[in-house]
Amino acid sequence: GQNIDQPTEMTATEGAIVQINCTYQTSGFNGLFWYQQHAGEAPTFLSYNVLDGLEEKGRFSSFLSRSKGYSYLLLKELQMKDSASYLCAVVDSNYQLIWGAGTKLIIKP
Amino acid sequence: DAMVIQNPRYQVTQFGKPVTLSCSQTLNHNVMYWYQQKSSQAPKLLFHYYDKDFNNEADTPDNFQSRRPNTSFCFLDIRSPGLGDAAMYLCATSRDLEGRSYNEQFFGPGTRLTVL
Repeated sequence: GQNIDQPTEMTATEGAIVQINCTYQTSGFNGLFWYQQHAGEAPTFLSYNVLDGLEEKGRFSSFLSRSKGYSYLLLKELQMKDSASYLCAVVDSNYQLIWGAGTKLIIKP
Repeated sequence: DAMVIQNPRYQVTQFGKPVTLSCSQTLNHNVMYWYQQKSSQAPKLLFHYYDKDFNNEADTPDNFQSRRPNTSFCFLDIRSPGLGDAAMYLCATSRDLEGRSYNEQFFGPGTRLTVL
């Protein structure tokens, strides 16, 4: 079967750095997405990785290791508005998107 | 602004009473998706249209149907809603070639369905 694993919930402090991990076991790999979803709202696109390495985009960075089936999303200089769920999703060999259940990130002052 | 619109944002229906959710897009994307998402769970793909081609997920109940009369609009029909169908229903679009899901998806704000 296909599986995406993320921690259910994480807590961090405003101004700090947090790393949200995602491991995957899928039939093939054609890219990995990170989406942000605020409570009661739709997911919004954050990043896409298909090659190994780090992609940086402002305060957010995403890393991929295909050999390890592993990705992380790094959030720097945390702000209260970063409180949300972060969803990892993998494109499999059939080019279908497999979603993780998301990591709920709680930011404390 | 180009966007994905869903109506209504909140829908209340009675057990067994048919309901239709709508989605429209001004992005001119060729692929449209319907997801069901329950609290703290991953979005579950119900079906998608690649252009006019309808693709049903194997585990989508027969109770759920969809229509795409044109590029811009897509509808989700729930023929006999049960209590277990209460969820957020998300419509998304993407521009993909040959049904391959490698471009980002743009989501509408969702319709929260309550079944009484």
